[in-house]
Amino acid sequence: GQNIDQPTEMTATEGAIVQINCTYQTSGFNGLFWYQQHAGEAPTFLSYNVLDGLEEKGRFSSFLSRSKGYSYLLLKELQMKDSASYLCAVRDGQNFVFGPGTRLSVLP
Amino acid sequence: DSGVTQTPKHLITATGQRVTLRCSPRSGDLSVYWYQQSLDQGLQFLIQYYNGEERAKGNILERFSAQQFPDLHSELNLSSLELGDSALYFCASQPGTSGSYEQYFGPGTRLTVT
Repeated sequence: GQNIDQPTEMTATEGAIVQINCTYQTSGFNGLFWYQQHAGEAPTFLSYNVLDGLEEKGRFSSFLSRSKGYSYLLLKELQMKDSASYLCAVRDGQNFVFGPGTRLSVLP
Repeated sequence: DSGVTQTPKHLITATGQRVTLRCSPRSGDLSVYWYQQSLDQGLQFLIQYYNGEERAKGNILERFSAQQFPDLHSELNLSSLELGDSALYFCASQPGTSGSYEQYFGPGTRLTVT
């Protein structure tokens, strides 16, 4: 079957670093995506990993280990505007499978 | 603003009815994806079109269908609506060229079935 797990909620402090984990079990793998979604808004693309390792993009980095079925999204220098849901998604063949999302609250 | 437009923004209809949701992709993008987001099931991939042809199918019900027109806009048709079809429907577009993987989401259509 297909399954993606993420923590439901996380809380962090402004200026801190937070790591959001994602584990997946899918029959195939053609890449892993991270999206940010503010309440009531559309998802916006953050990162894409298809090979093992770390991809850095400004304050956000994403890591992938295909052998472990594991990824994380690292957010540095947290800002209040980073309070949102973060969705992990795996492309399995031609299908996309999304995780339930992690709701991040950034506190002052 | 992603450059992707969806109409209508809100839609309220009754069970058993049929509705059509419309999506205009970013200029030049060849690929259109449709997603459903409900509170209990999260974001689910429905279907993808590329340059007018169906490219991939996800968890799309038989009561639902889609098409992409020569001008690249797309429509999602939902028929025999049930209460459980109430959700936010997003479309997303993508250039469709090799190496392009970023999808740009539209603002969504909120469908309420009563």
